[in-house]
Amino acid sequence: AQSVTQLGSHVSVSEGALVLLRCNYSSSVPPYLFWYVQYPNQGLQLLLKYTTGATLVKGINGFEAEFKKSETSFHLTKPSAHMSDAAEYFCAVVYGGSQGNLIFGKGTKLSVKP
Amino acid sequence: DADVTQTPRNRITKTGKRIMLECSQTKGHDRMYWYRQDPGLGLRLIYYSFDVKDINKGEISDGYSVSRQAQAKFSLSLESAIPNQTALYFCATSDSARDVGELFFGEGSRLTVL
Repeated sequence: AQSVTQLGSHVSVSEGALVLLRCNYSSSVPPYLFWYVQYPNQGLQLLLKYTTGATLVKGINGFEAEFKKSETSFHLTKPSAHMSDAAEYFCAVVYGGSQGNLIFGKGTKLSVKP
Repeated sequence: DADVTQTPRNRITKTGKRIMLECSQTKGHDRMYWYRQDPGLGLRLIYYSFDVKDINKGEISDGYSVSRQAQAKFSLSLESAIPNQTALYFCATSDSARDVGELFFGEGSRLTVL
């Protein structure tokens, strides 16, 4: 079955430290890949996406992710965490082209310590 | 005003009651979705609609039904609510002319079934 796995349901970093949230997908066919963020009491919003082209993609708020086909990974990084980054982050994939639907990972809650 | 509006935002009901969650959008998107979020499980797709005459079951449609009354309105019904339908429900929209998987979410409807 097609799936996406996020390693670590909770990640805690200090303010100013590197943020690394891990995501792996299962497919022999490269999917479209997404990261969504959910701030407390809000809906999800798109952080960044990879469809084709450059494998390093930049998103909002200083986040970026790199598509690595050989590792079937799409990890999310930010060089320096800010308190406002505290949220839940979801990796998601689409298989099946334009008729496909998003499949979400289970989410990683990021805490940022002062 | 929000582009994707969900009503009610919070609802407490009893087992066996009929519940309707409503979603309206002003984005002009043709595709609409209902997701369910449970802690530790991420988001799971309940139903989706690619246009007014196209309704499709998602991963967890049992116990739910939907109606696409107009391009801008998509409602989710629980005919006879049960406690394990207690969850946070999200409506989302997308534009078929844009990259698949780029969804716009409402702020969620929290449903508690006693």
